[in-house]
Amino acid sequence: EAGVAQSPRYKIIEKRQSVAFWCNPISGHATLYWYQQILGQGPKLLIQFQNNGVVDDSQLPKDRFSAERLKGVDSTLKIQPAKLEDSAVYLCASSSSRDPYEQYFGPGTRLTVT
Amino acid sequence: RKEVEQDPGPFNVPEGATVAFNCTYSNSASQSFFWYRQDCRKEPKLLMSVYSSGNEDGRFTAQLNRASQYISLLIRDSKLSDSATYLCVVPSGAGSYQLTFGKGTKLSVIP
Repeated sequence: EAGVAQSPRYKIIEKRQSVAFWCNPISGHATLYWYQQILGQGPKLLIQFQNNGVVDDSQLPKDRFSAERLKGVDSTLKIQPAKLEDSAVYLCASSSSRDPYEQYFGPGTRLTVT
Repeated sequence: RKEVEQDPGPFNVPEGATVAFNCTYSNSASQSFFWYRQDCRKEPKLLMSVYSSGNEDGRFTAQLNRASQYISLLIRDSKLSDSATYLCVVPSGAGSYQLTFGKGTKLSVIP
């Protein structure tokens, strides 16, 4: 079974530029999460999707971050404009309805904002 | 009390040692708890789930004390391959199966 795929793996941008990350969850997983992990911290939830609907985006900084999962499968997370404090690893995870607390993570996108 | 609080670490232990990590949580309504393992520059992966008083899987034992809102992870006979960061994870209480991750405790097993 293929795991969660993410791209790109690394991205370096200047502040005020925009960036987009892509995630393809495990086939059949209805729930998709985006997390931000700053160095030395645990992952922090940004947004949760159930199929193509948003379950919770209360921790997403909506003035600069947006996310979508239009067809209920893959998802994109965008930052525009980026700030220095957005430097982090952005992790995508998915889970199935059979075992909703077991989240499978992708390898992450390491973003550096200079 | 913070939602999830872990031992600060790092823990540097020799091979074969027994090491224990502690975690406290604030949501008294939580019914399930998890330990995830994260290798350096890799993604987190589920190590153990704890739904009652405890769980044992080989060299790993997780224990739960609901009265004290306290979870522990015990690793016996440490191996070099156990070197990683161990994340204590608790349902956030917001519903919808959301998880709150602790900051993690870094373990280095030394030859």
